[in-house]
Amino acid sequence: QTVVTQEPSFSVSPGGTVTLTCGLDSGSVSTNNYPSWYRQTPGQAPRTLIYSTNTRSSGVPDRFSGSIVGNRAALIITGAQADDESDYYCLLYMSPGILLFGGGTRLTVL
Amino acid sequence: QVQLVESGGGVVQPGRSLTLSCAASGISFPTSGMHWVRQSPGKGPEWVAVIWHDKTKKYYADSVKGRFTISRDNSENTLYLQMNSLRVEDTAVYYCAKDGPNWGRDLAYWGQGILVAVSS
Repeated sequence: QTVVTQEPSFSVSPGGTVTLTCGLDSGSVSTNNYPSWYRQTPGQAPRTLIYSTNTRSSGVPDRFSGSIVGNRAALIITGAQADDESDYYCLLYMSPGILLFGGGTRLTVL
Repeated sequence: QVQLVESGGGVVQPGRSLTLSCAASGISFPTSGMHWVRQSPGKGPEWVAVIWHDKTKKYYADSVKGRFTISRDNSENTLYLQMNSLRVEDTAVYYCAKDGPNWGRDLAYWGQGILVAVSS
């Protein structure tokens, strides 16, 4: 059973830059996994941020970007703002009919 | 704007059935793949199922395979999830989501979710 791993929590200062990552317990993440990223605040539905590794969804500010860093997918947030405090989830495509979410990273801005 | 509105949730006993619906507007539903994703209380999301726009392909997570059926009515812009033999561990908020640009590999828009609670 493949597991998608994310940092459970992360903290960033207002105006700072943070890199959240998404990996596999066995193997490397590549563009062939079509990494996508979603944010969710308590009581709300998730919202799509990034798909295809590094393409921003409509309306997402360019402070959010995606890439592959080493063997992991990454979500980079620059100029962090207080309302960036959220849970962030990555999703990886493994094969037809197998899409796996990571456990999520809770981002605190303080 | 895009609206995906789930309905049909509620409290159900283990072993019983329930059917969720998702009414879509603001998208070209007949040309959109559609997914169901669920999220148990305090946990991260879990992908459940996807159906191609033309119904030619359907895929399910192992945890629901053989018990859940995804379907759609393109004339009514509506997605369905029929859930049979429900278990306590199926308790979750269920979201419908429009497929992203990569044919079943990511998600573009999400509904607001509907709660399904399986309890005796």
